Amino acid sequence: AQTVTQSQPEMSVQEAETVTLSCTYDTSESDYYLFWYKQPPSRQMILVIRQEAYKQQNATENRFSVNFQKAAKSFSLKISDSQLGDAAMYFCAYRSGSQTSGSRLTFGEGTQLTVNP
Amino acid sequence: GAVVSQHPSWVICKSGTSVKIECRSLDFQATTMFWYRQFPKQSLMLMATSNEGSKATYEQGVEKDKFLINHASLTLSTLTVTSAHPEDSSFYICSARRGGTSGFIANTQYFGPGTRLTVL
Repeated sequence: AQTVTQSQPEMSVQEAETVTLSCTYDTSESDYYLFWYKQPPSRQMILVIRQEAYKQQNATENRFSVNFQKAAKSFSLKISDSQLGDAAMYFCAYRSGSQTSGSRLTFGEGTQLTVNP
Repeated sequence: GAVVSQHPSWVICKSGTSVKIECRSLDFQATTMFWYRQFPKQSLMLMATSNEGSKATYEQGVEKDKFLINHASLTLSTLTVTSAHPEDSSFYICSARRGGTSGFIANTQYFGPGTRLTVL
């Protein structure tokens, strides 16, 4: 079974600074998808960024980018120019590319990000 | 976009009663919907996966007779908590996935805003 580990329960960053959230996963598959979701105090899960495993190029969405290291099974999220609205719980998630594995997401434990003004 | 709604957003009920939560995909057809439970400051726990027109697949440890899931159409899934008890109080979140078998469109889940259930 796949597992996702987020080793940082809490992180903090100064407004306008850069922060990196860590995520590692364990899988024997070669075809899969990785996601970062944020959950602000409203508790609405919001998709931040996603990466297909077969793509070597790191995904980027505005101020959010990932460092995808497939061999190391690492998928970290970098937030540049942090804003107060970035404060949230961030979840890393794994989705198998195999249709026989179903379409479930495996979530990490989450990292609570605080942005200090 | 890919918008998922849930209703109600908040419900209080008496112990022993049943509560129905609706999950709707507003601008796309969802062949698969998922129901999660989340306790404060914890990650999401998958309860069940439902495919339109089929019986839901429940995760180990989830009582299917207590948490009834119906996915009657491509835009609507319902979760009914039967004979609710205080220990069922939690935050319930649904998500939906478009059809297809490959690519991001088929493999991304979009989440509803959640329903807070309090059982007195």
